[in-house]
Amino acid sequence: DGGITQSPKYLFRKEGQNVTLSCEQNLNHDAMYWYRQDPGQGLRLIYYSQIVNDFQKGDIAEGYSVSREKKESFPLTVTSAQKNPTAFYLCASSRGYLGTDTQYFGPGTRLTVL
Amino acid sequence: AQKITQTQPGMFVQEKEAVTLDCTYDTSDQSYGLFWYKQPSSGEMIFLIYQGSYDEQNATEGRYSLNFQKARKSANLVISASQLGDSAMYFCAMREGDNYGQNFVFGPGTRLSVLP
Repeated sequence: DGGITQSPKYLFRKEGQNVTLSCEQNLNHDAMYWYRQDPGQGLRLIYYSQIVNDFQKGDIAEGYSVSREKKESFPLTVTSAQKNPTAFYLCASSRGYLGTDTQYFGPGTRLTVL
Repeated sequence: AQKITQTQPGMFVQEKEAVTLDCTYDTSDQSYGLFWYKQPSSGEMIFLIYQGSYDEQNATEGRYSLNFQKARKSANLVISASQLGDSAMYFCAMREGDNYGQNFVFGPGTRLSVLP
């Protein structure tokens, strides 16, 4: 079955620690994305990648970092510089980067900072 | 200015009835795509339906249809024969242009509650 997996489902972090959220897709999609969702809010774009070894900042990239060494994988690191990291994180992918290309989402990771 | 507006924070509908969720958008591009997603309490975003700006027919996918009124810049989602499992948040999204580099913009969402 093709799809997008995210792990872990729930993640707890102490203040001052970096954590990495995993996102893997086997859809052979070129483009991948990371979004943040706060309670009762819509989605905000953190980072996106159109192709391997290339990525760009989204609207709220401060305190986050990514890498795209493989087509299938787009991990997100939440650094200690992120002031309010408690949120729901969604990874998505799309076949390409045209206006018609639909984004498909993973199940999400809920991060809580203790 | 908001690119995607969803004016209904919450909606209620009786089971088996139809419901319309509103979405208006703002773009100066001629080519764009409009998308609806469902987010149940589990959190996953589920793609429902797509409408291209050049599509002359309204999109339909099973019980979902999109009432596309280009001149009014509106792309309302119609759910027919509502089911209890339709209770969720619904997001309207837009992707502008047919060139690389355009990202999705999401609306604030509408919470739909289906009553038995």
